[in-house]
Amino acid sequence: QQPVQSPQAVILREGEDAVINCSSSKALYSVHWYRQKHGEAPVFLMILLKGGEQKGHEKISASFNEKKQQSSLYLTASQLSYSGTYFCGTRDTGNQFYFGTGTSLTVIP
Amino acid sequence: DSGVTQTPKHLITATGQRVTLRCSPRSGDLSVYWYQQSLDQGLQFLIQYYNGEERAKGNILERFSAQQFPDLHSELNLSSLELGDSALYFCASTRGSLPSSGNTIYFGEGSWLTVV
Repeated sequence: QQPVQSPQAVILREGEDAVINCSSSKALYSVHWYRQKHGEAPVFLMILLKGGEQKGHEKISASFNEKKQQSSLYLTASQLSYSGTYFCGTRDTGNQFYFGTGTSLTVIP
Repeated sequence: DSGVTQTPKHLITATGQRVTLRCSPRSGDLSVYWYQQSLDQGLQFLIQYYNGEERAKGNILERFSAQQFPDLHSELNLSSLELGDSALYFCASTRGSLPSSGNTIYFGEGSWLTVV
């Protein structure tokens, strides 16, 4: 039931764009996205609910395709501060929460 | 500072022992969530309490239990500890019963548990 994220790791130059995907085998009610920097607690980025698309931050947005049970996180014009590990979290229609496998994002100058 | 306080920050204990981790949510937050993060299992949701009642349960072992008290602080009790329980345990809180666009989830800094 753990959602699968892809890619596992990505390295970007400042200003480049990235897409991180999260795919579940279960019907989903909501998808959350988090960023965690090394040695720190996760930081909540945004939530997407069934039936809607949510923008959480200026250059970070996400989509949620309920039929495909997939969500994508879009990072545009990446900044050094975007580096970290990104996790999706899913709540399925059985009210179970799972975190994805994580995607390591490194932004270099 | 997220406003979520966890104690202790670090804990080393022997196998078979029992420990209690404590979490104080942000002022006004009614929901408390517990998570476990380990190298081999990644980030896992354990359990959620909302205003004193269990709201959702994840991959929490029978050896683990939690509760939320009337003052809304929460404790996670881990018993019969095994080496594999070594992990970082996070607590988080939200104002309502679920995170939403206007209801951010805030994480504490975590409690590092090492079982030797």
